[in-house]
Amino acid sequence: EVQILETGGGLVKPGGSLRLSCATSGFNFNDYFMNWVRQAPGKGLEWVAQIRNKNYNYATYYAESLEGRVTISRDDSKSSVYLQVSSLRAEDTAIYYCTRCVVFAYWGQGTLVTVSS
Amino acid sequence: DIQMTQSPASLSASLGETVTIECRASEDIYNGLAWYQQKPGKSPQLLIYNANSLHTGVPSRFSGSGSGTQYSLKINSLQSEDVASYFCQQYYDYPFTFGSGTKLEIK
Repeated sequence: EVQILETGGGLVKPGGSLRLSCATSGFNFNDYFMNWVRQAPGKGLEWVAQIRNKNYNYATYYAESLEGRVTISRDDSKSSVYLQVSSLRAEDTAIYYCTRCVVFAYWGQGTLVTVSS
Repeated sequence: DIQMTQSPASLSASLGETVTIECRASEDIYNGLAWYQQKPGKSPQLLIYNANSLHTGVPSRFSGSGSGTQYSLKINSLQSEDVASYFCQQYYDYPFTFGSGTKLEIK
């Protein structure tokens, strides 16, 4: 069974940084591209970033609205993907979801990031 | 970036009715389109991919169609458990983009 578990969210002051983690199991992690998608409270879905697998040289792609402030990375030995977010702003407040592939058939439950002073 | 324009923003229909939600892409996305259902307080769930392929376990009353820049999600025989928000997503090109969502309620 595919399982995805995001952690690392919390309350952060504006200008701060956060590293989100996504632990996975139940599938061959090395084979898959991994993504972060976020959802502000009461709003729609926003794709944040993708990291491809080793076969594609771990290429990364980012939403333009966040580029320069986010870094996606992965550790295949731990079947985990990470999202480093810096210079946090109030508008970064959202649930951050980890998803697999390009069609998002599997989602975690998300981790809430709240940016507030 | 490819813009996804989704309509309507909200929809109220009776049980047993058929409803249709539309998504228009700002350029041809060559059927690289998925539909998701999100119930309150839950993570999104995949319904349709490749514009018209039903994801495993999704009831057959859900169907997708379209091509080029115009796509739609149809729900036949609306059930109470279909109350949710629905989002389209294009994955033809980076950055992946979502429609703004449709909130479906029962009349």
